[in-house]
Amino acid sequence: GDSVTQMEGPVTLSEEAFLTINCTYTATGYPSLFWYVQYPGEGLQLLLKATKADDKGSNKGFEATYRKETTSFHLEKGSVQVSDSAVYFCAMDSSYKLIFGSGTRLLVRP
Amino acid sequence: EAEVAQSPRYKITEKSQAVAFWCDPISGHATLYWYRQILGQGPELLVQFQDESVVDDSQLPKDRFSAERLKGVDSTLKIQPAELGDSAMYLCASSHGTGGEAFFGQGTRLTVV
Repeated sequence: GDSVTQMEGPVTLSEEAFLTINCTYTATGYPSLFWYVQYPGEGLQLLLKATKADDKGSNKGFEATYRKETTSFHLEKGSVQVSDSAVYFCAMDSSYKLIFGSGTRLLVRP
Repeated sequence: EAEVAQSPRYKITEKSQAVAFWCDPISGHATLYWYRQILGQGPELLVQFQDESVVDDSQLPKDRFSAERLKGVDSTLKIQPAELGDSAMYLCASSHGTGGEAFFGQGTRLTVV
């Protein structure tokens, strides 16, 4: 069945380091892909999205490119900040509902 | 900025008791979702409404869980009786149409003791 797999955390980085969080998907069609972020004690917020192959979603310095050939949607940021510490969820639109990965916790140290 | 409202934020209940959660989606959003998020895991869809109709409840434990959206606006999720394994964050989300970008509320954290 359709599913999303993302790298396990926690990911611990120093401020200004480069971030990559891997995400791959399994789907029968060509789903839309999303990254959501969850700060402590809060609900999920959409970070960025891509609706078709080769699209690049970007927001707040984060980027992810929809790669159909590798069924991937890796999240990257060139220079993380302490305020980026949160849990990041990769998700896809499957049969008109969102399927989420298990989440990756990011901890950025000053 | 419009938000999805949920209440209560926190709920502690004893096992075998009944508990209910409320969600008010963003105005005009036809699709409403209830997700359950167990600590350390991603959200899992429990039920999806299109207006007042259920379009997906395949993962809803129907022996104890029920959900309704009578007028196609706000929604209630009920658990009766609650079990220890129901302890989780219950998230409500809404969207204009089906699938695609969803807007989430802050969630209700349920603890069953």
